[in-house]
This record gives sequence, C-alpha cells and structure tokens, in this order.
Amino acid sequence: GEDVEQSLFLSVREGDSSVINCTYTDSSSTYLYWYKQEPGAGLQLLTYIFSNMDMKQDQRLTVLLNKKDKHLSLRIADTQTGDSAIYFCAEPGTYKYIFGTGTRLKVLA
Amino acid sequence: GAGVSQSPSNKVTEKGKDVELRCDPISGHTALYWYRQSLGQGLEFLIYFQGNSAPDKSGLPSDRFSAERTGGSVSTLTIQRTQQEDSAVYLCASSPGPGQGSYEQYFGPGTRLTVT
Repeated sequence: GEDVEQSLFLSVREGDSSVINCTYTDSSSTYLYWYKQEPGAGLQLLTYIFSNMDMKQDQRLTVLLNKKDKHLSLRIADTQTGDSAIYFCAEPGTYKYIFGTGTRLKVLA
Repeated sequence: GAGVSQSPSNKVTEKGKDVELRCDPISGHTALYWYRQSLGQGLEFLIYFQGNSAPDKSGLPSDRFSAERTGGSVSTLTIQRTQQEDSAVYLCASSPGPGQGSYEQYFGPGTRLTVT
C-alpha cells in the first residue's frame, strides 16, 4: 500500500545538527521530496533528490537516500531557531503526492 | 511571479451550512491538487485535476464534498452541510503537469475552515 512514515517530533538545541528520517514505499519513485511548513503557512519545497543519487547537499541541508531500505533522511547542519517547522517527506504517486505525517522540529535556544 | 492563491484565508461557519473554497493556481499549471490538513495530522489527499477533469477523486471523504475546475484554471472545493469534523486547513497546490520535470508542487497558503 501507499504509506510514507516519519517520526512525529524532534527537538534539538540551536547549533546542533538535526536528522529527520522517512521511509517510503514505492521503489520506482523518480524523485523524493522534502517540504517545510512554517506555522500558519502552506508547504514550501525545501529540496528534492533524484532516485539515482545517494546524496545531495545544498548549503546546510544534506539529503541521504538508501534505495535498498527505502529510507530517506534530511540533515540540517547548525540548526537555527528559524528552522523550527514541520518537515514532510513526499513521494510522487499516481496523480498525487504521498506525504508523510510530518516531523515537527523544535529548536531550543 | 504570482504563486498559488487561496480564498478565503479563514472561514468560520455554522454546522450544516455549505462553504465554497477557492484556489487560483499558477498560470500555465495544468495540474491542481486539493489536500486537507487536520490539527496535528499530515496531509490528506482529496482530489487531483489535470486540466478540467479529475482522474482521481478517491480522496474525497464523503458525497458532501465536491470540486470543480473551469477553464483549466480556478478551482472550487465545495463542502455541503458542514460538520465539525470538516474543520481543517484546506491546501491547494499546482504543478506544471505530467512529464514536466520534477513534478514539484507549489502550495497555496491554505484556507482554515472552522465549523462551529
């Protein structure tokens, strides 16, 4: 079935690294996405990775993809209070995205 | 350029009333999606439009929910005889359409619906 799983909460101290994990179901997905939702706002694409890549780095963000285990992670280096948000991983399904439940990241000053 | 817009941003309605939510996608985007986000929940897919047709309505929770899209642009989501469990944020997204690259979806800010 279609199910993308994430842990619900993560709390880190400012300056530490955050790692948000996701497991997905469809091994044929061509792209996998991370979206960020700040309080009271819609979702914004944060980054994505093409399925033939193992890793993608974009400034403070590192995406790791383990296709064998269908595991995706997002690492945020030097986490800041402005990174506090809900982070969703998503894979494209037929006609729609399949979103994870979202991980609420809380950054403690 | 203009992003996806939704109106109203907030709607409070009484149980049993009908409501209509509007989404203006990015110009030229052929694909349009509606999702629902309940408090503390993830995103629940409702319906997808490609142009004016909806090949996937599987996510509509009941026959009180309907959606249409006209002119390949604006879409409205209508909820009839609203119930308290309909209270949620309704998000609209658009994308360029099938075969158009990374399939990124661009989201609007959402409409927060509260049914009292």
